[in-house]
Amino acid sequence: NAGVTQTPKFQVLKTGQSMTLQCAQDMNHNSMYWYRQDPGMGLRLIYYSASEGTTDKGEVPNGYNVSRLNKREFSLRLESAAPSQTSVYFCASSGPGQGYGYTFGSGTRLTVV
Amino acid sequence: AQSVTQLDSQVPVFEEAPVELRCNYSSSVSVYLFWYVQYPNQGLQLLLKYLSGSTLVKGINGFEAEFNKSQTSFHLRKPSVHISDTAEYFCAVSDGGGGFKTIFGAGTRLFVKA
Repeated sequence: NAGVTQTPKFQVLKTGQSMTLQCAQDMNHNSMYWYRQDPGMGLRLIYYSASEGTTDKGEVPNGYNVSRLNKREFSLRLESAAPSQTSVYFCASSGPGQGYGYTFGSGTRLTVV
Repeated sequence: AQSVTQLDSQVPVFEEAPVELRCNYSSSVSVYLFWYVQYPNQGLQLLLKYLSGSTLVKGINGFEAEFNKSQTSFHLRKPSVHISDTAEYFCAVSDGGGGFKTIFGAGTRLFVKA
C-alpha cells in the first residue's frame, strides 16, 4: 500500500548511543517532516524538508540531525541519545502546499535508558 | 505565531450520544485547519480539513467541523458516536500563506462507553 514507512518500530538505546530513524514515502510528495509525540504535548516539529535538497529546523531540533537522501527518504539521527529523547517519533509527508494535509507513518517508539 | 488550544484533554461519552471536541487557534494570517485521528499504537490520519469556502466541512467516519473565524474556532462534531470512535483527536493549523509548518494541539482523548 502507498504511504509512509518508518523503521524501526521500537528501539531501546543506552544514554550516549547513536541511531538513525529511517523514513520513506512512495507518494511522490515534495515535503517531509519529523515530529515527536510526548504525553500532553501533542506533536512537536523537529525538522522538516520542504523539498529535496533542503532541510530546516522546527520547534525542537536540539540533539537531532536529518538527511534528505532523495525525494523518497528522510532520515533522523540521534548522535548521542539522552533520556529526554524518549518519545514516539513520527515521520510525515505532504503534497504540494500546506492545504494538502499530512500522511503519517506508524511511528517509532524510542526509549533511552 | 500560530498556536492551537484543544480545550478538553479527555471527553468521555456514551455510545450513540453526540460529541463535540473543541479547538481554538490563534494566527495573524489566513490559515488552513485540520483534524486528525490517532487510534492506539498507530500514526495520525486525516479526518477533515478546512481550506476556504463553506465553513462546515465533512470528513470521514461521519465527523464534521465548523470554521468560525470570529471565534477563531474549529470544533469537531459527530451526532452519534460508536465504540470504534475511541481514539485521540488532534486539531492542527498551518499557514495558508505558504509556510511549511503545521502546529498541532495537545490532543483530546475521546472515550466512548457502552
